[in-house]
Amino acid sequence: AQRVTQPEKLLSVFKGAPVELKCNYSYSGSPELFWYVQYSRQRLQLLLRHISRESIKGFTADLNKGETSFHLKKPFAQEEDSAMYYCALSATQGAQKLVFGQGTRLTINP
Amino acid sequence: SAVISQKPSRDICQRGTSLTIQCQVDSQVTMMFWYRQQPGQSLTLIATANQGSEATYESGFVIDKFPISRPNLTFSTLTVSNLSPEDSSIYLCSVLPTGTHSYEQYFGPGTRLTVT
Repeated sequence: AQRVTQPEKLLSVFKGAPVELKCNYSYSGSPELFWYVQYSRQRLQLLLRHISRESIKGFTADLNKGETSFHLKKPFAQEEDSAMYYCALSATQGAQKLVFGQGTRLTINP
Repeated sequence: SAVISQKPSRDICQRGTSLTIQCQVDSQVTMMFWYRQQPGQSLTLIATANQGSEATYESGFVIDKFPISRPNLTFSTLTVSNLSPEDSSIYLCSVLPTGTHSYEQYFGPGTRLTVT
């Protein structure tokens, strides 16, 4: 069975500090991994996915198959990064069935 | 991309009744999904609704409790039947736009259900 674990429910950092949101997964095959974000009063939206290997809003995430991790990182946090972040896994190509982690609420303090 | 609306945005229902949630998309999509987010919990997939076929339910969810309709490529409904307080959750609709390179699910704003 697929499982996604985000060990931190809450994470608080100061503006300008580095941010790392942890995500670990369990799946025996080759998953697709995603980070979704929900800003205050907005709907859930895709932030990035591992296949694209791109940086979105300064965030990057590297899939580490050895450690089964997909941590989200940003070198310098900004106040507008405050949001709820969900790590998600798809065992099927094309992101059909998503398994979500518990989410991490990130707060950036001024 | 896709823009999704859900109705109602919230409701308070009595135990034993049912609530039907509507999901409308501004474009034709093949795959639609229904998720539940219980208080303080993550999103859990209830079922996948494809037009022209029966919905596919995930483990722990059954059609009698969560009947789904998908009459066309832009619309779906989820009914939560025989409500109990444990059904108090946010219910979200999402879609996967049609296309061989589709990888991004677009989510609706959610329906907040409170059962008293």
